Amino acid sequence: GAVVSQHPSWVICKSGTSVKIECRSLDFQATTMFWYRQFPKQSLMLMATSNEGSKATYEQGVEKDKFLINHASLTLSTLTVTSAHPEDSSFYICSARGRSIYNNEQFFGPGTRLTVL
Amino acid sequence: AQTVTQSQPEMSVQEAETVTLSCTYDTSESDYYLFWYKQPPSRQMILVIRQEAYKQQNATENRFSVNFQKAAKSFSLKISDSQLGDAAMYFCAYSGGSNYQLIWGAGTKLIIKP
Repeated sequence: GAVVSQHPSWVICKSGTSVKIECRSLDFQATTMFWYRQFPKQSLMLMATSNEGSKATYEQGVEKDKFLINHASLTLSTLTVTSAHPEDSSFYICSARGRSIYNNEQFFGPGTRLTVL
Repeated sequence: AQTVTQSQPEMSVQEAETVTLSCTYDTSESDYYLFWYKQPPSRQMILVIRQEAYKQQNATENRFSVNFQKAAKSFSLKISDSQLGDAAMYFCAYSGGSNYQLIWGAGTKLIIKP
């Protein structure tokens, strides 16, 4: 149980285009989803927290108009990188936390590698 | 603000031997959780072990165990009988406060020598 999927697993796009990454909880209802960014050989950096049906809460320094997050259902959250530029290239990871699973445990998706040319 | 410190960027151990990864944290909360996550080359984050702060007993999961010293704010991970598949980045994480977000350490790269 407690499986989180991400799609796509990797994407290459041209500078200026937008890219959408999906995060799905497959076998539980995710009341809260988190989006992280990870640079090579570094730890995870929290970008934003989203609760189902509410606007996402962004961490300081993360541009909410650049990284659009939608958590429209209890099983799906999306991250859209708008007008992507090479500096947005990174590894993006989502995680989900449910109401009835082990308290405070986050379950992680496999990540999405974004390369902006 | 809560912080998590992993002071060992890299550790190496001979296969079948035991290794301990260090983690310290700082918090003013009394109720919180601590985790060790493993990130292999595939980059999938895998939960290794968790510890609830209110529990005095150290958590164990097969070959993995922790030494939780609440007063010292220390949370080390011991891996016994190290296996080649244990090679990965290991992250210590803290969860507490009003929103229970994860606060991450910088990570320790574990190398297993055959």
